[in-house]
Amino acid sequence: DTGVSQNPRHKITKRGQNVTFRCDPISEHNRLYWYRQTLGQGPEFLTYFQNEAQLEKSRLLSDRFSAERPKGSFSTLEIQRTEQGDSAMYLCASSFGGATEAFFGQGTRLTVV
Amino acid sequence: KNQVEQSPQSLIILEGKNCTLQCNYTVSPFSNLRWYKQDTGRGPVSLTIMTFSENTKSNGRYTATLDADTKQSSLHITASQLSDSASYICVVSASGGGADGLTFGKGTHLIIQP
Repeated sequence: DTGVSQNPRHKITKRGQNVTFRCDPISEHNRLYWYRQTLGQGPEFLTYFQNEAQLEKSRLLSDRFSAERPKGSFSTLEIQRTEQGDSAMYLCASSFGGATEAFFGQGTRLTVV
Repeated sequence: KNQVEQSPQSLIILEGKNCTLQCNYTVSPFSNLRWYKQDTGRGPVSLTIMTFSENTKSNGRYTATLDADTKQSSLHITASQLSDSASYICVVSASGGGADGLTFGKGTHLIIQP
């Protein structure tokens, strides 16, 4: 499978714990995006990378959230001290450049109990 | 502020019937418009991408239209099938790059009944 891969697919965690998600983009894609999606809503932009540089962050990305793409390939999204409001689907997408099509992964469903 | 509005919010139709989903946007400067299909619990999958100069684009039973003057797009589904049940998300890209140039609609939740 050469599409965008996200792991894990599902994560249940207790409030206050830290969680980390991983995204492996399509190999030749230089852009990688993170989105959050709650039930019945469209995806909301969190942050994006061009190669290893994090170029934009949404105001949704509080100081408890951090994203990295150390070698310009895979990316990780960490949420510290999780809250129940963090429960959502976290989607990763990649593209080659900005105006071309973005391909999405299957998402990581986070449930904070 | 860039916005994408979709209607209806949800739609139920019988298998075999046709339907049309609407997308209105206020995104400037416009680069392209995309329709995605998202099955429950899965990531969005691209159906079509349209640039300023394209009025109509088909992908099997899906036909998208774009009117850049009125800033409206529609997605027409012909001879619906049970597998068409999903959320359909309209995404408009502003030129100039940047991920914030991707503005997502909230989607239309389509249910096909046998």
